[in-house]
Amino acid sequence: DQQVKQNSPSLSVQEGRISILNCDYTNSMFDYFLWYKKYPAEGPTFLISISSIKDKNEDGRFTVFLNKSAKHLSLHIVPSQPGDSAVYFCAASADQTGANNLFFGTGTRLTVIP
Amino acid sequence: KAGVTQTPRYLIKTRGQQVTLSCSPISGHRSVSWYQQTPGQGLQFLFEYFSETQRNKGNFPGRFSGRQFSNSRSEMNVSTLELGDSALYLCASSLGLYTGELFFGEGSRLTVL
Repeated sequence: DQQVKQNSPSLSVQEGRISILNCDYTNSMFDYFLWYKKYPAEGPTFLISISSIKDKNEDGRFTVFLNKSAKHLSLHIVPSQPGDSAVYFCAASADQTGANNLFFGTGTRLTVIP
Repeated sequence: KAGVTQTPRYLIKTRGQQVTLSCSPISGHRSVSWYQQTPGQGLQFLFEYFSETQRNKGNFPGRFSGRQFSNSRSEMNVSTLELGDSALYLCASSLGLYTGELFFGEGSRLTVL
């Protein structure tokens, strides 16, 4: 049973525009959420995270929003650049099961069109 | 700073065989986690080792096992391979048990024929 879901397998946006990647989760015990980016033939790399006590975290062009009541988080990339083209994974963890036991979504492939 | 190193990068085995994968974490990182990535399931947590002890285990059969050495290097073993074990096996290291921020290697791609 997939506890973290990314319902859009792919997304295409124009360079300079906003990219919005969405993620839903089912386990209310999740208290830490992360986004990872993966290029082909490379391992995932950490991008940004947010604790459940916050509803927004910003790092440069990347902002993650958390809506706990809706069990939904999103990653905004503004402005999008061609180098952002990659697969983005949403992940979540719970203190109960261990912070490094991440539950991943199946990923969204972002293509930024020059 | 060298990243997480996994060996071998690619390997082909036949059903019933066993395989051992190796992972060297980033220097100073004491936690090593293993994940299986398949097209349909995404990344799934296998287990985590810290100070040579398994601290956490995912929902995989006992054919999947691992260990960690005193230098934090880790190995995972899969015995009696099945076709469904074909996947990318990713190792990740972190400074400690509760960071949540993992540094992944490039993975070992296992094909079971």
